[in-house]
Amino acid sequence: EAEVAQSPRYKITEKSQAVAFWCDPISGHATLYWYRQILGQGPELLVQFQDESVVDDSQLPKDRFSAERLKGVDSTLKIQPAELGDSAMYLCASSLTGRTDTQYFGPGTRLTVL
Amino acid sequence: KNEVEQSPQNLTAQEGEFITINCSYSVGISALHWLQQHPGGGIVSLFMLSSGKKKHGRLIATINIQEKHSSLHITASHPRDSAVYICAVRRSGDKLTFGTGTRLAVRP
Repeated sequence: EAEVAQSPRYKITEKSQAVAFWCDPISGHATLYWYRQILGQGPELLVQFQDESVVDDSQLPKDRFSAERLKGVDSTLKIQPAELGDSAMYLCASSLTGRTDTQYFGPGTRLTVL
Repeated sequence: KNEVEQSPQNLTAQEGEFITINCSYSVGISALHWLQQHPGGGIVSLFMLSSGKKKHGRLIATINIQEKHSSLHITASHPRDSAVYICAVRRSGDKLTFGTGTRLAVRP
């Protein structure tokens, strides 16, 4: 069964360093989502792509976070510089076309900022 | 107040018990999702509902649109059901708004 791949699974970094996360959605899925999940809370959408275009980045802290999906397939989420409050699980999900489709989630990247 | 509220926040049950997790929301929605998150983080979509009731194995999900309420039931619970169960609602667009989850522990 096709899955959403993410790497790394775990990342420990010091504050002020740069970190990057990678996501490879299910083949053929046009919509890709990056979520942040703080411990004990539900996921919060950071950015949504439709193919290579950003359709929602209203909750993305753009002073330090950036996301790209250059060829409309895999995606990278970057944080520079990392802050202590960025410690969280970063989840990637994809769906066939968005809208009413089921979202399929990757295993997540757990970030710890020291 | 969060748009999506779940109860209880934590639930411990004995193997075999019938379990109910509740979700209330305060906005108009086009669909409601129930998701399961295991330790380690991976999330699996269990149900997507816009009306009525759905059943998959030992899991049953119901929704009452007028009352803005949904329930997830687990029959004959098993330790492998231990996970966090998350309710999420979809409004008019693509965006999902998530509840904070219900942490379920099923003891053998």
